[in-house]
Amino acid sequence: ETGVTQTPRHLVMGMTNKKSLKCEQHLGHNAMYWYKQSAKKPLELMFVYNFKEQTENNSVPSRFSPECPNSSHLFLHLHTLQPEDSALYLCASSQGSLGGYEQYFGPGTRLTVT
Amino acid sequence: AQSVAQPEDQVNVAEGNPLTVKCTYSVSGNPYLFWYVQYPNRGLQFLLKYITGDNLVKGSYGFEAEFNKSQTSFHLKKPSALVSDSALYFCAVRDLTSGTYKYIFGTGTRLKVLA
Repeated sequence: ETGVTQTPRHLVMGMTNKKSLKCEQHLGHNAMYWYKQSAKKPLELMFVYNFKEQTENNSVPSRFSPECPNSSHLFLHLHTLQPEDSALYLCASSQGSLGGYEQYFGPGTRLTVT
Repeated sequence: AQSVAQPEDQVNVAEGNPLTVKCTYSVSGNPYLFWYVQYPNRGLQFLLKYITGDNLVKGSYGFEAEFNKSQTSFHLKKPSALVSDSALYFCAVRDLTSGTYKYIFGTGTRLKVLA
């Protein structure tokens, strides 16, 4: 596979469930990101990892828990979510986390919280 | 605070006509500026960026953008629109001096190219 992949593509979960989103990049990049995309809102940066270390947590509620075991993989663990957390969750990677590097995005996971 | 504005929610243009999608930004230092495109059910796809140098930047699929420091703008342009250009376009900025890892995105502009 090439680029940035995300699984699952669609997820429906209840408010008491626990689930995880997975992201994998095949580009040899060092930085990975989670974004939340809601209709009619700007993309919200959630977390940034650089060489597996978290460098940015954009005041994200603790019901979202990221994990980055290596530079190629990024997870987002979800528990006790709220209906307002329903959105498209995008993973991205870039060669570095500083400077003028463009980001490469995965196709996203469409999350619905019931 | 850093910010990006895309003043038009939607832009309609006839196929073959030139198109412009507007973006203005506000940063405290020198900006890195980006344009991305999003097709339905897909992630964002990088189109072009301005880092330094020539104010006119050329990117993928015949798109270009002009960096205008005095007007703090980075409008996306294409000389001749295609129906396949219909998509959601995002402008993004990164402030070199803030030390933040953040890219700030606009709210997006939906481009509709009419046959």
